[in-house]
Amino acid sequence: AQSVTQPDIHITVSEGASLELRCNYSYGATPYLFWYVQSPGQGLQLLLKYFSGDTLVQGIKGFEAEFKRSQSSFNLRKPSVHWSDAAEYFCAVGGVGYGQNFVFGPGTRLSVLP
Amino acid sequence: EPEVTQTPSHQVTQMGQEVILRCVPISNHLYFYWYRQILGQKVEFLVSFYNNEISEKSEIFDDQFSVERPDGSNFTLKIRSTKLEDSAMYFCASSPTGEGGYTFGSGTRLTVV
Repeated sequence: AQSVTQPDIHITVSEGASLELRCNYSYGATPYLFWYVQSPGQGLQLLLKYFSGDTLVQGIKGFEAEFKRSQSSFNLRKPSVHWSDAAEYFCAVGGVGYGQNFVFGPGTRLSVLP
Repeated sequence: EPEVTQTPSHQVTQMGQEVILRCVPISNHLYFYWYRQILGQKVEFLVSFYNNEISEKSEIFDDQFSVERPDGSNFTLKIRSTKLEDSAMYFCASSPTGEGGYTFGSGTRLTVV
C-alpha cells in the first residue's frame, strides 16, 4: 500500500529565507505526487503536481518541487518565504487508474517569523 | 476558476442525530470524493464515487455513512447516527478523470456534542 511521510512536523523560518519541506513516499509503481496547502480553518489548495516528464515542477505562489525517484522523495521548495505562506502543507500520493484515492502525509506546519 | 462548493461551512449536531453534508462539484467532473480531517490529524480518504456508484471506500466508511448524487449537481454525505468521534472537517473533492489533482472544497466542520 502506498504511504507518505513528512519528517518535519513543524518548521519555523524567517520571512525572506528559503524553504524546503520534505516528503518521502512508498508506492509500488510510478506515483502521481502532489502538494497541498491549508491555511487555518480553510480548505485544501493544490500547489503543484507531478505526473510525468520534467522532474522539477513549478506551482502557484512561487513554489516548486523536485521528484527524485532514487530517493522516493518529492520535496517542496520556495526561494523566499512570505509571511502569508504560514500554513499547513500536505504531500500526497496517488496512482494511475479508475477512482483512485489519495494518501496524504501527516502534514508540516510552517511558521514564518517577521 | 471553477470551485467545489460545500455547505454548510460549520454544523453542530447532537450525538445520535443524522446529518447531511452537501457538495456541489465542478460541473464537468465525473469523479467525486469525500475526505475527513480530525482536528490536528491528517486528511483521510472516506469514499470515491463514479457513475452513480461507490468505486472505493475506506475502513472508516462504515454502515453509518452513505453518499448520494440526488440530482445532476449535488453530491451528499450522510451520517445516520453521529458519534462524538465523527467531529471533524469533511472535505468534498472532484476530478475530471479520476487520476488525481483533485479540486477540494473548503470543507464543512462538523461538531458532534
